Amino acid sequence: AQSVTQLGSHVSVSEGALVLLRCNYSSSVPPYLFWYVQYPNQGLQLLLKYTTGATLVKGINGFEAEFKKSETSFHLTKPSAHMSDAAEYFCAVSVQAGNMLTFGGGTRLMVKP
Amino acid sequence: EAQVTQNPRYLITVTGKKLTVTCSQNMNHEYMSWYRQDPGLGLRQIYYSMNVEVTDKGDVPEGYKVSRKEKRNFPLILESPSPNQTSLYFCASSIAGTRGGTQYFGPGTRLLVL
Repeated sequence: AQSVTQLGSHVSVSEGALVLLRCNYSSSVPPYLFWYVQYPNQGLQLLLKYTTGATLVKGINGFEAEFKKSETSFHLTKPSAHMSDAAEYFCAVSVQAGNMLTFGGGTRLMVKP
Repeated sequence: EAQVTQNPRYLITVTGKKLTVTCSQNMNHEYMSWYRQDPGLGLRQIYYSMNVEVTDKGDVPEGYKVSRKEKRNFPLILESPSPNQTSLYFCASSIAGTRGGTQYFGPGTRLLVL
């Protein structure tokens, strides 16, 4: 069975600092990987996804993530945090036909002025 | 505007009183799904549907029912709610059969069972 682990349920950074949100997965087959963002009182919105091809994936709002098969990781980064990035971030994996996603526990990002 | 809608957004009820949370999408998606979100556990899938009249259990189906009589609607039914079903619920939809497809989420329904 597949699983997703997000290290750090809460991450705090200063505005302008690097954002790094960690995601590790376990899967017996090549995974498709996703990052979703949830702003307060809203549903989840896709930030970016990796399916095949280039392992460095760029998403919306300046975020990017790199698929590292040897490390079974898909960490999310952004060079410079903005106050509007404060939200909860979810990593998810898809390992089978169809649309089923397995989510990590989420990381709440706080951005300090 | 392409969207997934859920109603109600907030609901307080008592143990044992049947309730239904509606979900509707206007994107002609075949696939629809219900998740519950609990702190530290992320989103866990309750039920999903690959198309009309085709539904299947997710990871945490106990205490829930669903139906898919029309393509656009996928209601979640709690026949006898219990306090452990207090949670934040999300409906999602996507094009079916696409493993890498994007799921579109509704705004969520916050349920409190007393």
